[in-house]
Amino acid sequence: DTAVSQTPKYLVTQMGNDKSIKCEQNLGHDTMYWYKQDSKKFLKIMFSYNNKELIINETVPNRFSPKSPDKAHLNLHINSLELGDSAVYFCASRRGTGGGNSPLHFGNGTRLTVT
Amino acid sequence: GQSLEQPSEVTAVEGAIVQINCTYQTSGFYGLSWYQQHDGGAPTFLSYNALDGLEETGRFSSFLSRSDSYGYLLLQELQMKDSASYFCAVPGGYQKVTFGTGTKLQVIP
Repeated sequence: DTAVSQTPKYLVTQMGNDKSIKCEQNLGHDTMYWYKQDSKKFLKIMFSYNNKELIINETVPNRFSPKSPDKAHLNLHINSLELGDSAVYFCASRRGTGGGNSPLHFGNGTRLTVT
Repeated sequence: GQSLEQPSEVTAVEGAIVQINCTYQTSGFYGLSWYQQHDGGAPTFLSYNALDGLEETGRFSSFLSRSDSYGYLLLQELQMKDSASYFCAVPGGYQKVTFGTGTKLQVIP
């Protein structure tokens, strides 16, 4: 069973479109994240939810809207896509009360290409 | 804020030992983690150091010096499959985990 799964794996779309990425984890973790990895491989945190509550919003444009219907799911909706949004988006989860040594578990990523 | 610096690229020979360094500046420090990411893959957790010293896990070891704000990942008996990117990371407040700039390791025959 896949621990953290995200769909789709690839997303190719045109500028101005709206798209969504879905993520589900079956690890029973309390905290879920969205990270963006650009072409230089920098992994930058975008959002974090703990038990469906938004706890981190890292100066991400308002065009990005996360939604967590329950603690096992965290989706990312992107409006009015721009060329600069092209990147790999990773969903991750982590045991919220595990302290510093609680590792992140990542999904396989969604490669978004905006043309 | 948090910032973590790593060398961008390292090349080493199969069978050798390589060290990947990480220097960090953080407001509050809870420990240093290491992740491995193969091309096209997801980052996967390797190790975590909360206290100073060396932690060994098979061919991989990780070291931390809190007084120097410095850590490293040591890979021994390098294999071709170790070619990947390696990231240090620090957990922070509000469950935030910040990653370093990443080091691309190339293992050559």
